Amino acid sequence: DTAVSQTPKYLVTQMGNDKSIKCEQNLGHDTMYWYKQDSKKFLKIMFSYNNKELIINETVPNRFSPKSPDKAHLNLHINSLELGDSAVYFCASSLRLAGPQETQYFGPGTRLLVL
Amino acid sequence: AQSVTQLGSHVSVSEGALVLLRCNYSSSVPPYLFWYVQYPNQGLQLLLKYTSAATLVKGINGFEAEFKKSETSFHLTKPSAHMSDAAEYFCAVTQNAGGTSYGKLTFGQGTILTVHP
Repeated sequence: DTAVSQTPKYLVTQMGNDKSIKCEQNLGHDTMYWYKQDSKKFLKIMFSYNNKELIINETVPNRFSPKSPDKAHLNLHINSLELGDSAVYFCASSLRLAGPQETQYFGPGTRLLVL
Repeated sequence: AQSVTQLGSHVSVSEGALVLLRCNYSSSVPPYLFWYVQYPNQGLQLLLKYTSAATLVKGINGFEAEFKKSETSFHLTKPSAHMSDAAEYFCAVTQNAGGTSYGKLTFGQGTILTVHP
């Protein structure tokens, strides 16, 4: 059973399009995250949600809008895609937000290529 | 503020040799430190974490890391490399500074480990 799953795994699209990436976790966790891994493999947090409430928003362009319909899902919608959005996007979850020692469990990633 | 530096973007060892992957951190408050491994086309998997208990932390697959405050280091080691250890390894830091720092992992830029037969 996949603990943290993402769809799609690969996404190729044109500049200017709008796309969504879905994330689901079946671990019963309260907290979910989105990370971006750029072409140099540098991983950076974008957002975190705890019980459907936005906690972290790391100066991400407002073209990126996370949506959490329930605790088990955190989707990422991207408007007006740009070339620089090409990256691997990872979803993660942790049991709770309460402490920094909480282990984050990562999904397999979504490879986005904007042409 | 917190940051992580991984020395060496590529490390190559022979099968059976010692693995040493270096990580130095910067943190204004006591840090919590993690090592993750990423196999090709997969997500990140936690190897081990330091949460202010024992300074020598043992993880999965025979890896361990030692927290050295005086050196601000958290190097990852394994006594004997296996071919299956070939992957990319990421060191990460977070802080117990409350508020929006919760859950904010800051990653290093990764070290690719190659294991030769």
